Amino acid sequence: DAKTTQPPSMDCAEGRAANLPCNHSTISGNEYVYWYRQIHSQGPQYIIHGLKNNETNEMASLIITEDRKSSTLILPHATLRDTAVYYCIVRSNFGNEKLTFGTGTRLTIIP
Amino acid sequence: DGGITQSPKYLFRKEGQNVTLSCEQNLNHDAMYWYRQDPGQGLRLIYYSQIVNDFQKGDIAEGYSVSREKKESFPLTVTSAQKNPTAFYLCASSIGSRRTMNTEAFFGQGTRLTVV
Repeated sequence: DAKTTQPPSMDCAEGRAANLPCNHSTISGNEYVYWYRQIHSQGPQYIIHGLKNNETNEMASLIITEDRKSSTLILPHATLRDTAVYYCIVRSNFGNEKLTFGTGTRLTIIP
Repeated sequence: DGGITQSPKYLFRKEGQNVTLSCEQNLNHDAMYWYRQDPGQGLRLIYYSQIVNDFQKGDIAEGYSVSREKKESFPLTVTSAQKNPTAFYLCASSIGSRRTMNTEAFFGQGTRLTVV
């Protein structure tokens, strides 16, 4: 019973910005939005997270709508190494809660 | 180096045998998790542990067992009762029971189990 909805797949041209959407309409006030990605046959890797403000780090930017019901992960200049499955999850700030993943978005970067 | 380690990376077993997958972390994390991933699918939660000596069933616990006798270790046993044990198994940990702004999970590199 994942709390998020993502498109199953997306393509993006190399060098362009990749914008990955996520719907989390039932998010509660103490839940953060987290993004992970999984490159083939490896463990998922943390990318970024946020509560209500937009966030940016060296990997990506996270834009969260004002009502917090959806968000977008932005990879500003996609490279072939960004080809992966991207998972959006919501999680409270209790670090030991059940951690549930959905099916994610398979992002393919096109040369 | 701090991290989470799964071993072995590849494991082969005969049908009907129990097999135990290892997961160790030196991050001082309270919470640990086991997931199963089938080809082309997402991660499904098998078991998780919020603190040492305690654990809860996830979404697909049948045919699996775990223990959490030490904070740094959370081994998963795939029993003969698991009908389709061949899969990629991932272990993760996260910081713990206190409120914090950063509860990211750290994953191991996985164990690919093949039952023949």
